[in-house]
Amino acid sequence: KQEVTQIPAALSVPEGENLVLNCSFTDSAIYNLQWFRQDPGKGLTSLLLIQSSQREQTSGRLNASLDKSSGRSTLYIAASQPGDSATYLCAVSRGAGNMLTFGGGTRLMVKP
Amino acid sequence: SQTIHQWPATLVQPVGSPLSLECTVEGTSNPNLYWYRQAAGRGLQLLFYSVGIGQISSEVPQNLSASRPQDRQFILSSKKLLLSDSGFYLCAWTQGGGTWGSGNTIYFGEGSWLTVV
Repeated sequence: KQEVTQIPAALSVPEGENLVLNCSFTDSAIYNLQWFRQDPGKGLTSLLLIQSSQREQTSGRLNASLDKSSGRSTLYIAASQPGDSATYLCAVSRGAGNMLTFGGGTRLMVKP
Repeated sequence: SQTIHQWPATLVQPVGSPLSLECTVEGTSNPNLYWYRQAAGRGLQLLFYSVGIGQISSEVPQNLSASRPQDRQFILSSKKLLLSDSGFYLCAWTQGGGTWGSGNTIYFGEGSWLTVV
C-alpha cells in the first residue's frame, strides 16, 4: 500500500526566504506526482505535475523535482511571499489514471 | 473554459439522516470524476471514481455511495449518516474520453463541509 509522507508538517518563515518542502513515497511505481496548494476551507489548486519519466517541473517561483527511485520529491519556493501562505500537498498517482494518494500536507506561513 | 461546481458548500445533518452532495463539470465531455474526503486531522482520501455514466468504482468500504446519472454529474449519497462521515468532501475531474490520462492535471471543486451531529 502506497504511503506518502510530507515533512515538515508546518513551517514558518520570514518573507523573502527560499524554502524546500519534502515529500516521500514508499512505492516507486507511480505514474506521476503532483503538488497542490490548499487555502483554508477551500479546494485544491494544482501547482505542478511531474510525469514519472521526468525529473523536474518549473512554474514561476516554484520548482518541483522527482527522484522516483528513491521515492522523493521536493517543492522549492523561491523568494517566498505572504501570499504563499497555505497548505501544500503532494500526491502520487498509482496505476493508470488519477487515483491519487495524498500526503498529510505542509502548512506554510510566510510572515511579512 | 472548464469549470466545476459543487454544492451545498456547507451542511449540518443529524446522525441517521440522508445525504446528497452534487458535483457538475462544465466545458468538457466524458470527464473522469472523483470524490475525495478530507477528515479532521487526516489527509485526503479517495472515495469513488468514475470513467463514464453509470460506471462507479469504490475505494473504501463505507456507508456512502456515488452515482453518475449524466456525463458531467457526480453525486455522493448516504441513506443514514454516521458521526464519522463528518469532513470536507471534494469533487474533482480530469480529462477522460474513456481512457485514463495519467498525465492529466486534476481539478478540484471548492468542497462541501459536512458536519454530522
